[in-house]
Amino acid sequence: DVQLVESGGGLVKPGGSLRLSCATSGFTFSHYNMNWVRQAPGKGLEWVSSILRSGNFPSYSDSVKGRFTISRDNAKNSLYLEMSSLRDEDTAVYYCARDSLDQYYAMDVWGQGTTVTVSS
Amino acid sequence: EIVLTQSPGTLSLSPGERATLSCTASQTVSSTYFAWYQQKSGQAPRLLIYGASSRATDIPDRFSGSGSGTDCTLTISRLEPEDSAVYYCQQYATSQYTFGQGTKLEIK
Repeated sequence: DVQLVESGGGLVKPGGSLRLSCATSGFTFSHYNMNWVRQAPGKGLEWVSSILRSGNFPSYSDSVKGRFTISRDNAKNSLYLEMSSLRDEDTAVYYCARDSLDQYYAMDVWGQGTTVTVSS
Repeated sequence: EIVLTQSPGTLSLSPGERATLSCTASQTVSSTYFAWYQQKSGQAPRLLIYGASSRATDIPDRFSGSGSGTDCTLTISRLEPEDSAVYYCQQYATSQYTFGQGTKLEIK
């Protein structure tokens, strides 16, 4: 079975840092581009960041650029999101999502999410 | 940044009816990079349609997508109670993804 399992969420104070992880299994991780997508409480989906299968050319939404860093370890089949200078508005469920293999840039597999709460 | 606007915000229909959900982009989007997702309460999103009109794996043929340019449509024929969910459109261009704000579909 293809699986994405996020971890690392929790309660953090404004200005703090947190590192999210996404452990994957059931597919050849190094063949796929990967994404982080978040959803604030009661709100819609917001794309956060993407990384190519090689680990090169990460991209970020304007709302997190300069504060978040996406990375991956293809040997460990894992995706990461390093978050710093956290703000109240970063409070959300963070999903790890796989891009489909056929270059349609659609996200065909999603994890169940990990919750990040930024509050003093 | 390309903005996607979905309409209507909420749709309330009965089982067996047809639902038409719209998504309009602020500028022309390649249909190759246009997708639709379903999110049920408390669950992660699920890919329904990619490339504007291709159904994802295991998606029933009641779901269909169409459109090009700035306008795309998701049609759900013969609604079933389990179709109650929020539906999001998504596009990709110049290394950026954007999602629409969602359409909530209620089945009476």
